[in-house]
Amino acid sequence: GENVEQHPSTLSVQEGDSAVIKCTYSDSASNYFPWYKQELGKGPQLIIDIRSNVGEKKDQRIAVTLNKTAKHFSLHITETQPEDSAVYFCAASRGYDFGNEKLTFGTGTRLTIIP
Amino acid sequence: DGGITQSPKYLFRKEGQNVTLSCEQNLNHDAMYWYRQDPGQGLRLIYYSQIVNDFQKGDIAEGYSVSREKKESFPLTVTSAQKNPTAFYLCASSIAAAYGYTFGSGTRLTVV
Repeated sequence: GENVEQHPSTLSVQEGDSAVIKCTYSDSASNYFPWYKQELGKGPQLIIDIRSNVGEKKDQRIAVTLNKTAKHFSLHITETQPEDSAVYFCAASRGYDFGNEKLTFGTGTRLTIIP
Repeated sequence: DGGITQSPKYLFRKEGQNVTLSCEQNLNHDAMYWYRQDPGQGLRLIYYSQIVNDFQKGDIAEGYSVSREKKESFPLTVTSAQKNPTAFYLCASSIAAAYGYTFGSGTRLTVV
């Protein structure tokens, strides 16, 4: 089955600086890669996702890049703000491959923005 | 508004008792999932269901049971066979994994 590794497990950055979180996956058939943000005591929220036919996607201060050859994808947050402090999870799935329709999650990165 | 609702938010259970966590969604999603999250840890899959009256075990199904009698509902029972049930439980639903999940706000279960 799929295995997703996520690094680093903790990350502290100064407010205004950029943060980068990296994930690698093992299943070459995976084609959907979402990122979730989990605030304390809440459920994870989807913040951005990317599909295998795209190399990069941006949404304001957040961007995700995908390298299918190397089987890794990354989350980039620019101009970080205190409200970006949270736990971030990457995930991967085969999408419509019936019988494998579930996400495999990374172990999470606790991001702390230092004012 | 469409969404996914978990109840209760906090739950206390005595050792040896079964307890059922509720998960309801009005998003018309076919697939539903249950995850367990321990402090500072990631998400571990307990059970998932892709269609009514069908469900599959996840990575840590021992000591848990589920049912899927209605599309909107996917309750999780934590049985007395679960040795370490204290955790944060998250329910999620999706059209398909290709579109990601919508998560509920979680139930924090504590064994006293």
